[in-house]
Amino acid sequence: KQEVTQIPAALSVPEGENLVLNCSFTDSAIYNLQWFRQDPGKGLTSLLLIQSSQREQTSGRLNASLDKSSGRSTLYIAASQPGDSATYLCAITQGGSEKLVFGKGMKLTVNP
Amino acid sequence: SAVISQKPSRDICQRGTSLTIQCQVDSQVTMMFWYRQQPGQSLTLIATANQGSEATYESGFVIDKFPISRPNLTFSTLTVSNMSPEDSSIYLCSVEDYRDNEQFFGPGTRLTVL
Repeated sequence: KQEVTQIPAALSVPEGENLVLNCSFTDSAIYNLQWFRQDPGKGLTSLLLIQSSQREQTSGRLNASLDKSSGRSTLYIAASQPGDSATYLCAITQGGSEKLVFGKGMKLTVNP
Repeated sequence: SAVISQKPSRDICQRGTSLTIQCQVDSQVTMMFWYRQQPGQSLTLIATANQGSEATYESGFVIDKFPISRPNLTFSTLTVSNMSPEDSSIYLCSVEDYRDNEQFFGPGTRLTVL
């Protein structure tokens, strides 16, 4: 059974820092890995999708990498801003299923 | 990316009643998904809804409790039946972009059961 872990559960940093958010998974036979952000009481916003054949994706200040062999993905946030404060979730699909298996998320607070 | 809306955005309901949540997408999609996010927890898939067929439920979720309709390619409803306080959660619908399998979520429905 695929399990997705995000550690730490929360992180508080001063504005301007470059950040690394971690996601690990137990079964390397993944199809896609997707990073989301969730603002309090809101739905999910898709940030980046990495397909199993890819190693990284970039969007603006965000860069996500995927290492299937080690069961890890990282989300880099450059020059963090208070507006980046949110909960970040990673989720995985596996072959034959569109079901997203989510980690519990990491709550990020960027202090001005 | 798809634009997804949900109604209602939030509701407070009494124990034993039912609530129907609507999900509308701005484009035709084959598959729609319903997730639940209990307080302080991550998201769990309830069921997958394909147009023209019965919804497929995940382990722990049953049709009598969470009946789903999918009358066309842009719309779906989820009913939470005979509610109890344990059903207090955020309910979210999502769709998948068939081109790259990226999934997009609606804004969610925050349900509180008293």
